[in-house]
Amino acid sequence: AQKITQTQPGMFVQEKEAVTLDCTYDTSDPSYGLFWYKQPSSGEMIFLIYQGSYDQQNATEGRYSLNFQKARKSANLVISASQLGDSAMYFCTWRTSYDKVIFGPGTSLSVIP
Amino acid sequence: GAVVSQHPSWVICKSGTSVKIECRSLDFQATTMFWYRQFPKQSLMLMATSNEGSKATYEQGVEKDKFLINHASLTLSTLTVTSAHPEDSSFYICSASGPGRNTGELFFGEGSRLTVL
Repeated sequence: AQKITQTQPGMFVQEKEAVTLDCTYDTSDPSYGLFWYKQPSSGEMIFLIYQGSYDQQNATEGRYSLNFQKARKSANLVISASQLGDSAMYFCTWRTSYDKVIFGPGTSLSVIP
Repeated sequence: GAVVSQHPSWVICKSGTSVKIECRSLDFQATTMFWYRQFPKQSLMLMATSNEGSKATYEQGVEKDKFLINHASLTLSTLTVTSAHPEDSSFYICSASGPGRNTGELFFGEGSRLTVL
């Protein structure tokens, strides 16, 4: 069965430090997209970063970067220089064939001043 | 970027009544919309996939007669919770495939928090 695993239910990071949120996925599909979304307490889903299965380079978007290891089926999110506003739930999401999206269980990140 | 609007943001209703939630794509045509349910501190659970002009495809375990989904136009999909009961209280979120710069990118509504008394 296709699934996504986020092994860290909760994480703490000191302000201004970097943090890595883990994500592994299980699929035999050759073509897919991996997304990370942030969900603050207000509930809205905020797009952070995208990695296509055929992309050769790791994706980066400002303070966010994705450590994509295709052979290991891993797509960890790295947040550099953490800010208090980064405290939120983070979901690793996988999509294929544009007809279904699978969400990981999420990681709750708390940034400590 | 593309915008998806969801209404209402909050709704409180009595047990036994029906509640309709709207999901609109404001600046693009969404041939496919997705409806999710989220319990506190849990992930999003896909309820159904809604294609314009056709019947929605429901995930296993989701009651079709309980959660009515209509996608009558390319910019509007609705979720109606029929004969709502307290166990239907949850956060409901819609999303749509839009003209993002990333393949398969989804745009999410703001979510609707339903409380059934």
